Amino acid sequence: GDSVTQMEGPVTLSEEAFLTINCTYTATGYPSLFWYVQYPGEGLQLLLKATKADDKGSNKGFEATYRKETTSFHLEKGSVQVSDSAVYFCALSPRGGFQKLVFGTGTRLLVSP
Amino acid sequence: GAGVSQTPSNKVTEKGKYVELRCDPISGHTALYWYRQSLGQGPEFLIYFQGTGAADDSGLPNDRFFAVRPEGSVSTLKIQRTERGDSAVYLCASSLLAGGTGELFFGEGSRLTVL
Repeated sequence: GDSVTQMEGPVTLSEEAFLTINCTYTATGYPSLFWYVQYPGEGLQLLLKATKADDKGSNKGFEATYRKETTSFHLEKGSVQVSDSAVYFCALSPRGGFQKLVFGTGTRLLVSP
Repeated sequence: GAGVSQTPSNKVTEKGKYVELRCDPISGHTALYWYRQSLGQGPEFLIYFQGTGAADDSGLPNDRFFAVRPEGSVSTLKIQRTERGDSAVYLCASSLLAGGTGELFFGEGSRLTVL
């Protein structure tokens, strides 16, 4: 079945450091890919998405590129802030089926001043 | 409220008891989803509603779990004869339409602890 694998955390960085959180997927066909973020005390919220190969999703300085050849969707940010501390979830949905998201286990990011 | 509201935020119960968890979606959202998040895991799909009907309940783990959405708005997840393994955070999400942009709006979850 479909699955998502993301790097284990926590990832600990100093403010202004470069961030990469790895995500790879296994799916039949060409899924849509998402990054969701959960800030402390809040619900999951969509950070960015990409719906086809080579698409780049971006939001709030975060980027991720849909790489079909490596089945990856790594999350990057050039300069993290303390306010980026959160848990990040990579997810996929089958082509044409946004209803049933398949999530990775989440990666906790801790950014210190 | 503006977001998805879930009650209770915390529920502690004893093994064998019956539990109901409520979700109030964003007004006007026709699609509603339930997910379950166990400790250290990502959310796992349980069921989704389009309007009043359950369009896909393939994620419900067994027949102790049941969900309803009688008027196409508020939904209740019902768990009978709870077991310790049911302990998790139950997440509800809604979206304007099933499919659509793929953006689901999640509530903060109901944390269920079965002793």
